[in-house]
Amino acid sequence: DVKVTQSSRYLVKRTGEKVFLECVQDMDHENMFWYRQDPGLGLRLIYFSYDVKMKEKGDIPEGYSVSREKKERFSLILESASTNQTSMYLCASSFGQGSRFYEQYFGPGTRLTVT
Amino acid sequence: SQQGEEDPQALSIQEGENATMNCSYKTSINNLQWYRQNSGRGLVHLILIRSNEREKHSGRLRVTLDTSKKSSSLLITASRAADTASYFCATAYSGTYKYIFGTGTRLKVLA
Repeated sequence: DVKVTQSSRYLVKRTGEKVFLECVQDMDHENMFWYRQDPGLGLRLIYFSYDVKMKEKGDIPEGYSVSREKKERFSLILESASTNQTSMYLCASSFGQGSRFYEQYFGPGTRLTVT
Repeated sequence: SQQGEEDPQALSIQEGENATMNCSYKTSINNLQWYRQNSGRGLVHLILIRSNEREKHSGRLRVTLDTSKKSSSLLITASRAADTASYFCATAYSGTYKYIFGTGTRLKVLA
């Protein structure tokens, strides 16, 4: 079974702190994604990566950065956390070869609260 | 902006009834996928239908795709209380790695 793990289920941070959210997948997937999920807004794509060291901005990248140094690990970084970044953060991975797309496998999510 | 829009936003039915939810999208897609999310958890993939397919089945799930209308529907037959969850459609644009998720349909199945 494909497994996507996220470093924390719940996280509480203070405004201005630097926050790292880690995601690891064990299926050698090329693509990895970070979403945030807010009530009434659904899932919104923050960043995605289609290969090691490659990344592309999603719909809401402001205030976030990412790192993918190894194929199995994709990190989301909040450089200076703000209260409007309080949200559920979901990591996902998928195969992706050219224009053929496959299903995404999601981690359990990290509920981040910034106070 | 979200491309996939689910309809209805919320649905409440009795156990044993069928549940139908719809998804509309705006541009050309490679495939369309449906996911389920139980409260406070990650999403679980249910079914994928490619742009050249019209209908697909998986157990009690039936998905249709109408590319001329840019819409898809998910039918859950003989619903169970365990089907209570939010259901999302996700579209994969042609020529890009991005997936766009809708805002979801909240399904409640009453025992």
